[in-house]
Amino acid sequence: GDSVTQMEGPVTLSEEAFLTINCTYTATGYPSLFWYVQYPGEGLQLLLKATKADDKGSNKGFEATYRKETTSFHLEKGSVQVSDSAVYFCALRTNSGNTPLVFGKGTRLSVIA
Amino acid sequence: EAGVTQSPTHLIKTRGQQATLRCSPISGHTSVYWYQQALGLGLQFLLWYDEGEERNRGNFPPRFSGRQFPNYSSELNVNALELEDSALYLCASSLRGVSYEQYFGPGTRLTVT
Repeated sequence: GDSVTQMEGPVTLSEEAFLTINCTYTATGYPSLFWYVQYPGEGLQLLLKATKADDKGSNKGFEATYRKETTSFHLEKGSVQVSDSAVYFCALRTNSGNTPLVFGKGTRLSVIA
Repeated sequence: EAGVTQSPTHLIKTRGQQATLRCSPISGHTSVYWYQQALGLGLQFLLWYDEGEERNRGNFPPRFSGRQFPNYSSELNVNALELEDSALYLCASSLRGVSYEQYFGPGTRLTVT
């Protein structure tokens, strides 16, 4: 079945450090890919998405590129802030039938000043 | 515009009891999704309702059930509670169908003792 694997956390970085959170997927066909963020005490928010190979999603300084050849969708940010501390979830949605989102287990990021 | 709302925020039950969780979608959204976020397991899809009907369900036993009302709000019922049902239950809504972006509520924290 479809699945998403993302790097284990927690990840602790100093402010202004470079962030990479790895995400790989297994799916039939050509899924759409997403990164969601969950701030403490809140629900999930869509951070960015990409719907086809080589698409780059970007938002709030975060970027991820849909790599079909490596089945990956790694999240990057050049300079993290304390306010980026949250749990990040990689997810996919296949474009067939009525299949909803499939999530990875989440990666907790803590940014210290 | 009001977002997805869920009630109650917290719910404490004992093993064997029944729990009822409620969700109100964003105005105009007809699809409601339920996810379970258990510690260390990421988010797992539970149920999807649209236009009052169950469209898909995840790999959960039948004691997890729900319904959608004519105003598109939804209820999740968990019967014969077990300790491992302790989790954050997230509701999301979207325009009709899985191809639309899902907007998440803050969740209901269910604790089974």
